[in-house]
Amino acid sequence: DGGITQSPKYLFRKEGQNVTLSCEQNLNHDAMYWYRQDPGQGLRLIYYSQIVNDFQKGDIAEGYSVSREKKESFPLTVTSAQKNPTAFYLCASRLQGADTQYFGPGTRLTVL
Amino acid sequence: DAKTTQPPSMDCAEGRAANLPCNHSTISGNEYVYWYRQIHSQGPQYIIHGLKNNETNEMASLIITEDRKSSTLILPHATLRDTAVYYCIVRVADAGGTSYGKLTFGQGTILTVHP
Repeated sequence: DGGITQSPKYLFRKEGQNVTLSCEQNLNHDAMYWYRQDPGQGLRLIYYSQIVNDFQKGDIAEGYSVSREKKESFPLTVTSAQKNPTAFYLCASRLQGADTQYFGPGTRLTVL
Repeated sequence: DAKTTQPPSMDCAEGRAANLPCNHSTISGNEYVYWYRQIHSQGPQYIIHGLKNNETNEMASLIITEDRKSSTLILPHATLRDTAVYYCIVRVADAGGTSYGKLTFGQGTILTVHP
């Protein structure tokens, strides 16, 4: 099946540890995005990438890092510098020139 | 991107039409209206989008007023599975490749469909 996968669905980490969230898509989409969602809130853009080996900061990039070495993969690292990392993280992708973003199922990160 | 205003919550009986309003009084001429929904603890799902003409697809219909300052998403026969948060988003389309595709989500409308 074509789509976007995020793993794991639930992730627990101790404070001060870096953690990497996976996002893979087999839709042959050019652009990929990472959003963060806090309870009762809308989505906020962390990072985005329009092509391989290129990515840009979104609205709340501090404390996060990404890489885009392959078209189908866009992992997000939540570093110890992120002050409040507990949240629901959503990955999305889009075909360049198209208007629709497709979202993955999300990863719920809890930092203890 | 233009700001949107939606009611925080709405109820609908199963089998009836759900009409979700959205105000976007500062919309620009080149901005589209998009609707997404998010079922609890899942990723958002695209529903429909339009510029000025009414649009219909297999999920819903989108009615945009003539002055484009407001729109209504219509789910013609709501089911329990349509219970979700519905987001109305206004942004420039990416047709020319000038937008990086950012979606700005507000708090949306919580639609509860009851038996």
